Amino acid sequence: QKEVEQNSGPLSVPEGAIASLNCTYSDRGSQSFFWYRQYSGKSPELIMFIYSNGDKEDGRFTAQLNKASQYVSLLIRDSQPSDSATYLCAVNVNSGYALNFGKGTSLLVTP
Amino acid sequence: DADVTQTPRNRITKTGKRIMLECSQTKGHDRMYWYRQDPGLGLRLIYYSFDVKDINKGEISDGYSVSRQAQAKFSLSLESAIPNQTALYFCATSDKPSGRSSYEQYFGPGTRLTVT
Repeated sequence: QKEVEQNSGPLSVPEGAIASLNCTYSDRGSQSFFWYRQYSGKSPELIMFIYSNGDKEDGRFTAQLNKASQYVSLLIRDSQPSDSATYLCAVNVNSGYALNFGKGTSLLVTP
Repeated sequence: DADVTQTPRNRITKTGKRIMLECSQTKGHDRMYWYRQDPGLGLRLIYYSFDVKDINKGEISDGYSVSRQAQAKFSLSLESAIPNQTALYFCATSDKPSGRSSYEQYFGPGTRLTVT
């Protein structure tokens, strides 16, 4: 079983702070990595993807990938209460196959 | 209009009943998926289809069947519903954008199914 592990949280950060969400995966053949945001009762929304080692920035979001350590993270700068949601890490091993999801980390941004 | 639609959005049914959940997409994607989501268990893949003639079981296909009626339509059936099939069901589609090396998935709004 290919595992994608996330701390379930909740992770609580004050408004304006940096939220750091972490994900580890077990399959060294993993090729593509995705972060989805899911509000309660809603569908997952793709917010970031990363394929290569290093950092990728998009607005307030930065995805970080370290394939040697089998570790991917999502940083949210200047966190807002509207960022409060569950963040799902997803990994694609074989291109085109369905994603393997972690169970998600709940983030709470307090005013 | 939404790119991926699911019907019904909410459904309550009784044990033993047959029920069909429908998914339609206007994104033009070939690949479609059905997931279920349970508290504490995350998203789990039920079935996936790479085109109309290619349907594959996911990790939890027992008790479910699917039909790919067209590129744009992918239906999930519960032949005889049981209470532990109570969950939030999501349809997803995927595509590999030009210049990218992987497929990105996009989810429908979900169907909340309760089996009593």
